[in-house]
Amino acid sequence: GAGVSQSPRYKVAKRGQDVALRCDPISGHVSLFWYQQALGQGPEFLTYFQNEAQLDKSGLPSDRFFAERPEGSVSTLKIQRTQQEDSAVYLCASYGPVAVEKETQYFGPGTRLLVL
Amino acid sequence: DQQVKQNSPSLSVQEGRISILNCDYTNSMFDYFLWYKKYPAEGPTFLISISSIKDKNEDGRFTVFLNKSAKHLSLHIVPSQPGDSAVYFCAATPQTGANNLFFGTGTRLTVIP
Repeated sequence: GAGVSQSPRYKVAKRGQDVALRCDPISGHVSLFWYQQALGQGPEFLTYFQNEAQLDKSGLPSDRFFAERPEGSVSTLKIQRTQQEDSAVYLCASYGPVAVEKETQYFGPGTRLLVL
Repeated sequence: DQQVKQNSPSLSVQEGRISILNCDYTNSMFDYFLWYKKYPAEGPTFLISISSIKDKNEDGRFTVFLNKSAKHLSLHIVPSQPGDSAVYFCAATPQTGANNLFFGTGTRLTVIP
C-alpha cells in the first residue's frame, strides 16, 4: 500500500480483556517500530523489528505486552489483561531501504485504545 | 527521564509571521534530529531533519537550526500559514538508520488567519 495502515483505529476494552492491534507497514520496509503515545505526551518507543526478528523490546512496559512479526511484514501488538493505564494511542512506523527516501520513519494513523 | 523537551505546549502566531518552535535535549549521544507534524487522528508526518554535522537545514518555508553546545534546536516557519496549525514534535536519535526515536511532548501551533 501507499502508507502504513493500522487496525482497528479505535478499540474499547474492559479491564482484564486481551487486545490485538495490527500494523501493515509500507511494502518492502524491513524495519518496523511500535510506539505508545499517552494523552498529552510524545510517542514512546516500545519495540523494534528487522524483518521477522524482534531486535529490541526494551520499551515494552510489562510482560503483558507482546509483539510479533512472523513473516517479516504485518505485525501484531498484543496486550493481555489490559489495565486502565494501557489507554493510549499505539503508533506503528516503518522504515525501509532509503536510496531515494529521506531518513525517516513513516507512521501509521495509530490505534486509540481505551480501557474501561 | 525526558531526554527531549519541548517546554512550550502551545504557540499562537498571526498568518504571514514567523513561527519559532523550540526543543532541548539532554543526551549528548543524539546525532540526528527530526521534526514531525501531527494533525488530529493522524500519525506524525515527517517535516524536516538535521544531522549533528550541520547547524542549519532549510526546506522551503521550514528551517531547522541546531546548537550542539547548548543542546538546543529550533524550527522556524516563515511565512506561517493557517494550514500549518498542528502539533509539532521534536525527535532525536543516536544516529541515522533504523533506530528508535526519542520524542518531545509536542507544541501545538495555531496560525491565526
